[in-house]
Amino acid sequence: KQEVTQIPAALSVPEGENLVLNCSFTDSAIYNLQWFRQDPGKGLTSLLLIQSSQREQTSGRLNASLDKSSGRSTLYIAASQPGDSATYLCAVNTGTYKYIFGTGTRLKVLA
Amino acid sequence: GAGVSQSPSNKVTEKGKDVELRCDPISGHTALYWYRQRLGQGLEFLIYFQGNSAPDKSGLPSDRFSAERTGESVSTLTIQRTQQEDSAVYLCASSLKAGVSNEQFFGPGTRLTVL
Repeated sequence: KQEVTQIPAALSVPEGENLVLNCSFTDSAIYNLQWFRQDPGKGLTSLLLIQSSQREQTSGRLNASLDKSSGRSTLYIAASQPGDSATYLCAVNTGTYKYIFGTGTRLKVLA
Repeated sequence: GAGVSQSPSNKVTEKGKDVELRCDPISGHTALYWYRQRLGQGLEFLIYFQGNSAPDKSGLPSDRFSAERTGESVSTLTIQRTQQEDSAVYLCASSLKAGVSNEQFFGPGTRLTVL
């Protein structure tokens, strides 16, 4: 059974700091992995989608990497800003139409 | 509309009452998904639709939960005889079609509180 874990569960950093969020999954047979952002009271916003054949994806200050063999993905946020404060979720697709989600990392960037 | 919309945004109900949650997917998206997010937990898959058919209902927690979709558009998730453990945020997503390469776009969710 695929399980997705995110560490740390919560993180507070000063503005401007570079940071890394971690996501691990138990079954390396995935088709893709997606990182989402969730703001309080709002839905999920897709940040980056990495197909299983890809090693990384970049969008602005965000960079996500994928190492299927070790069952790990990282989300790198450069030069963090208070507006980056949110919960970050990773989700894996194991070959079906549904995602299996981690429990998220609550990020707070302090001004 | 530009994105997935859900209504109501918040719903408070008494134990034992029935509730209906609505999802309007992105226009043209043939696949629609329902997830549940309990406090402090990850999202749980409930059901998905391809067109108006629901090939996989395996995630529905009990027979009190049902969902339908009409016109390959709006979907309704119905919870009968609500229980306190049904309290959660219910999220809907849609994609162009069901499949591993199709990105899912999520709505803002409906926060359900069962007293």
